[in-house]
Amino acid sequence: NAGVTQTPKFRVLKTGQSMTLLCAQDMNHEYMYWYRQDPGMGLRLIHYSVGEGTTAKGEVPDGYNVSRLKKQNFLLGLESAAPSQTSVYFCASSYVGTALHFGDGTRLSIL
Amino acid sequence: KNEVEQSPQNLTAQEGEFITINCSYSVGISALHWLQQHPGGGIVSLFMLSSGKKKHGRLIATINIQEKHSSLHITASHPRDSAVYICAVWANNDMRFGAGTRLTVKP
Repeated sequence: NAGVTQTPKFRVLKTGQSMTLLCAQDMNHEYMYWYRQDPGMGLRLIHYSVGEGTTAKGEVPDGYNVSRLKKQNFLLGLESAAPSQTSVYFCASSYVGTALHFGDGTRLSIL
Repeated sequence: KNEVEQSPQNLTAQEGEFITINCSYSVGISALHWLQQHPGGGIVSLFMLSSGKKKHGRLIATINIQEKHSSLHITASHPRDSAVYICAVWANNDMRFGAGTRLTVKP
C-alpha cells in the first residue's frame, strides 16, 4: 500500500519553463490537495479537489493549474515557472471529514 | 493578524515532561487538524477534530469551539517527539495553517 506518491521528488527549472507535478493515491480518497511550504510562510493551500472532475482554488492559486481526470490522480501544472514558485510542494488526500495523508514532497527550484 | 495563531513558536523540554501546544483561530471552522513535521520534512496527520477530545497513545488533542481554541498535549515526552507541530483549520472551503511550533525534547 503506497499511500500518497508524488513525482518527481526534486526538479530544477529555468524561468519560463513548464512542468507538471503528479500526485497519486491508492486509498480511494475523494479529496485531494496541493500545498506549498516556504520558509517563514508555513504551509499554504494552492488548489484542492473534492472528487473526480472537480477542482477549487485555495489560498494561493495564481500561476498554477490543476486537473483531476481520474480519482486517484491530482496534477499540478506550472505553465510558465517563476522564481517565486521555488518551494517544497506537498500533496495530500483524505476521505470527507477525516485525517489527511501526505506525500513526501517535491522540492522545486526555479532559476 | 493570522487567522490561525500558535503558541509557543519554540519549545524546549526535558524528556518526561508534559507538553502543551496551543492553537487559536478567528474564523468559523468545520474541522481542525494537528500535523507533525519531522526534520526530514515528512508530514504526518496526528488528529482531526470538530469537537471534544481525542487521544492516541501519549498524544491528546482538545478543541473548544466556542472559545475558538485547541490544544495538543504530549504526556511523558521523548526525544523522538522533537518535530514541528502545525495546526490547520478548514473554513469557508479553504484551509489555513498556523506557523508551527518547533518542539525539542532533550534526553
